[in-house]
Amino acid sequence: NAGVMQNPRHLVRRRGQEARLRCSPMKGHSHVYWYRQLPEEGLKFMVYLQKENIIDESGMPKERFSAEFPKEGPSILRIQQVVRGDSAAYFCASSAQGGEKLFFGSGTQLSVL
Amino acid sequence: KQEVTQIPAALSVPEGENLVLNCSFTDSAIYNLQWFRQDPGKGLTSLLLIQSSQREQTSGRLNASLDKSSGRSTLYIAASQPGDSATYLCAVKDLGGFKTIFGAGTRLFVKA
Repeated sequence: NAGVMQNPRHLVRRRGQEARLRCSPMKGHSHVYWYRQLPEEGLKFMVYLQKENIIDESGMPKERFSAEFPKEGPSILRIQQVVRGDSAAYFCASSAQGGEKLFFGSGTQLSVL
Repeated sequence: KQEVTQIPAALSVPEGENLVLNCSFTDSAIYNLQWFRQDPGKGLTSLLLIQSSQREQTSGRLNASLDKSSGRSTLYIAASQPGDSATYLCAVKDLGGFKTIFGAGTRLFVKA
């Protein structure tokens, strides 16, 4: 009965490299949300996806960031040409339906050198 | 645009004390409100979920209330313990929206 699984837990990238963060939702959940948390700040919404569809990406920067949730496999948050300001904890959450309780993963801590 | 505010930002209490954490939101047209706990370097654990039609929810020593018309929720923790030390986050999901908006949290420290 695994919960939301995120990997890697820690990711170190140099400026200009690509970062790929993965999230496997809870079994039976088809709704995935990505959030970013900067030190001493709350969680900021980035994107909401259902299987094969991006529903709301209003919180995601237009440049360099993309997200997908394919029919098979985990959801991926991709950050191209990372900069130091991308350093943060990235959390994924899932729910069975759009309005229901959110269950969070343990997050991926991205550090950009 | 929905905004969620939590007061106080930090709180330190002796063990055994009852305490109240406050959350306010600017738009009362919400679908639900959820309280989470976050331990340092960890993910979020859901504590209580209150639907917009409900007034309160209880789980063990925790009780959360919702006053939608005034845009407020409180999390009451009875007989606090050192293990309750964590950051408590309030989050609101708007009607017709897809995102859940978080407050900045209250950092709680319970002294033994």
